[in-house]
Parts: sequence; structure tokens; C-alpha cells
Amino acid sequence: GAVVSQHPSRVICKSGTSVKIECRSLDFQATTMFWYRQFPKQSLMLMATSNEGSKATYEQGVEKDKFLINHASLTLSTLTVTSAHPEDSSFYICSARSPEGEKLFFGSGTQLSVL
Amino acid sequence: RKEVEQDPGPFNVPEGATVAFNCTYSNSASQSFFWYRQDCRKEPKLLMSVYSSGNEDGRFTAQLNRASQYISLLIRDSKLSDSATYLCVVPPAWGGKLIFGQGTELSVKP
Repeated sequence: GAVVSQHPSRVICKSGTSVKIECRSLDFQATTMFWYRQFPKQSLMLMATSNEGSKATYEQGVEKDKFLINHASLTLSTLTVTSAHPEDSSFYICSARSPEGEKLFFGSGTQLSVL
Repeated sequence: RKEVEQDPGPFNVPEGATVAFNCTYSNSASQSFFWYRQDCRKEPKLLMSVYSSGNEDGRFTAQLNRASQYISLLIRDSKLSDSATYLCVVPPAWGGKLIFGQGTELSVKP
């Protein structure tokens, strides 16, 4: 089945630094990828939809200048958390739709801890 | 009504028990539904897809009730390894973003 690779799996950083998370579709082309954030004991919350070759679509309440999304190719989307603060500590997961369009395949997630 | 709403958990059941979760959805035009399983600090993994009235895979049965707009997940002969959070996912009919339920936590005890 379709595979989505996400790196890094865990990041610990100081407050004020920027962190880049990569999401790759390994065996299919993904024109659309999704970025989610998940706090402990809560469900996945969609942050933004990443569209290849165009600007990302952000959900209400998500700061586009803080969470920079780049989808420069059909197999790679990146999420950069700029000037990270402790409240940004969370589990970030990317996903891509299957080629037939319905199912979602997820990256393995990135646990971000901002000190 | 929330777009997707699941039974609040947690469900604590003994090994071997049968347990069922419900998920209600608001968009009557939705055509397909999915149950995902998520272990703590891991990515969700697709468990079952439901396109018509239901689907069965071993100990797991998913049923769809379009009239009442809910899907259910039944787990028979629960195993310790079934302990996880189960997410209900409903794609909108027009192919937009997937909507996740808040998840139902299951804990199977020896």
C-alpha cells in the first residue's frame, strides 16, 4: 500500500528556534497533503491542507506565518514551526490521500517538545 | 450537531468481551466511512472501510445505518492488543478534508 514517510520522529528544541518537519509520499504522487496536530488525549486537528505548486489552505485559528507549509513537489511537503514556543509542543502528523482519492495514509508523526 | 461525533470513552472491558462503538455524522451525502486505530503517540492506521451497509474482517464488524446517520464498530473476543483509540473518519461527498471524530479509547484488561 501507499507509504508516507515523516521525519524527524522527535524534536527537542529551545524556545525561539524554528523546526522543519518533512513529509514524503514514497510510492505515489500526492498533489494534496494534510498536516494535523494532536495534543494528549485529543483527536487529530487539521491545521492546513498543503497543495502542490500553490499556497496552503489553513484552518481557522492556525497562523500561517507561524506554521509555514511548502509543497514544492508531488512527493514532498514540509511544515516549519517558526519561533517555536512551549505551547507549540505537540504531536504533528502529516498525511496524503491515496491515489484513488479516499483513504488517508499517515506519516509516523513528529513529537515536538519546545523547552 | 457535530460533523462527526463518537461515543465518549474510555471503554474498559475484559479480555474476550464484545464491545461496540458508535459514530454519528451530520452530512447525509457522505458515501464512504472509515475506522482508524491509533496507538498512543503513533499515527492512525486504517482498520476498516465502509462503503455500503457494512463490512466484516475477522473479529471486527463495521455497520452503516444511513437512515440514522451512524456507523458502528463491533469487536468480538477482545484481545489485549485491541487496546487503542478508535477514530471514525467521514470524507465529505465533494472530496474535501476528512473529518475525524474525537476518538473512542478502548482498554482491554486481562
